[in-house]
Amino acid sequence: GAVVSQHPSRVICKSGTSVKIECRSLDFQATTMFWYRQFPKQSLMLMATSNEGSKATYEQGVEKDKFLINHASLTLSTLTVTSAHPEDSSFYICSAPLRGRVDTQYFGPGTRLTVL
Amino acid sequence: SQQGEEDPQALSIQEGENATMNCSYKTSINNLQWYRQNSGRGLVHLILIRSNEREKHSGRLRVTLDTSKKSSSLLITASRAADTASYFCATALDTGRRALTFGSGTRLQVQP
Repeated sequence: GAVVSQHPSRVICKSGTSVKIECRSLDFQATTMFWYRQFPKQSLMLMATSNEGSKATYEQGVEKDKFLINHASLTLSTLTVTSAHPEDSSFYICSAPLRGRVDTQYFGPGTRLTVL
Repeated sequence: SQQGEEDPQALSIQEGENATMNCSYKTSINNLQWYRQNSGRGLVHLILIRSNEREKHSGRLRVTLDTSKKSSSLLITASRAADTASYFCATALDTGRRALTFGSGTRLQVQP
């Protein structure tokens, strides 16, 4: 099946710094990618939809200036957590739907962010 | 906001027993999917059932869908210790929006 990768898998940073997380579709093109956040022992919550060639669409309550999303190419979306705070510590997961298949999407392995 | 609720929140069974998890959702859907997540890891897609289907099987997994009650169940038969994980249902809305809405999850512990 198709593969979605994320980098890094884990990152620890200090408060106030910015962290970039990459999501790549390795063997297919993705005009759309989704970013989810998962707090410990909780479910996944959709943060935003990343659109290649246009602005990302953010879910209600998600600060677009804090979580910058750039869909630079048909295989890469990046999420930058700016001025990170400890409350941003979470598991961030991306997914990419397969073009032409409404019910198929692939999830990345996730990135564990810890902000000290 | 999260639209799916799952019960039980946690389930502990012995190896060989069956495990049943339930999921309820609130709006019309195109399909419903079940995922497994081992602690601190990514998601593994288990099975998808479309809105016009009522039951589906895959190996030891059996999924049912009742759109009139807006609910689904996942049955894992003859459970194994390796089935220990969190299980999430996720729905795709019938609006064509492809982002998934996840349920609250069930933490399954299978005792060897």
